[in-house]
Amino acid sequence: QVQLVQSGAEVKKPGSSVKVSCKASGGTFSNYGINWVRQAPGQGLEWMGGIIPIFGTANNAQKFQGRVTISTDESTRTAYMELTSLRSEDTAVYYCAREARSYYDSRGFSDGFDIWGQGTMVTVSS
Amino acid sequence: QSALTQPASVSGSPGQSITISCTGTSSDVGAYNHVSWYQQHPGKAPKLMISDVSNRPSGVSNRFSGSKSGNTASLTISGLQVEDEADYYCSSYTTSSTRVFGGGTKLTVL
Repeated sequence: QVQLVQSGAEVKKPGSSVKVSCKASGGTFSNYGINWVRQAPGQGLEWMGGIIPIFGTANNAQKFQGRVTISTDESTRTAYMELTSLRSEDTAVYYCAREARSYYDSRGFSDGFDIWGQGTMVTVSS
Repeated sequence: QSALTQPASVSGSPGQSITISCTGTSSDVGAYNHVSWYQQHPGKAPKLMISDVSNRPSGVSNRFSGSKSGNTASLTISGLQVEDEADYYCSSYTTSSTRVFGGGTKLTVL
């Protein structure tokens, strides 16, 4: 059974950066898209971006263009999300989530995220 | 990309059916049959309930069903149970190859 285990909570100063990791255990890593979703306290889900490890090219939400970098390390089966120029509004729980189907699945693309990490709380405060 | 529009809250009694709507545009919900629904209990990660408009993953109760008409997708929960009380989010793939979530709907089981 595939699990995604994320790094621990972070407290950051405004203007700094944070890098959250998401390590996959079990199953195949490289063929499945990994996405990052955040949730501010008491708010809804917000998609930040995603990447398919075998291709290594991320697609990000326009809102985060220039501030977010999503990457993977296939050797360690780990995905990363780095957010720069942090501000108080970036305080949120950050989740990684795996797409339900492999890129090579004969049934084609599926949009759902079936496996989620436990979430990483990032607090931005002076 | 603007968030998809969901009602802030819905409620129902045990055994009843409820429907949650999710309205987007021709660039997201209306563009493809790629709409998902997630259930989230307080303090927990979201759980995939429906993908690709109406596909129910293994292990998800058949009381949950999805549909779409034009730019609006819907999640129906039949035979409401107390444990269904949670927040529900829709998500759509977009013509820009991105994803967009709805604002979320709080389901109360009275």
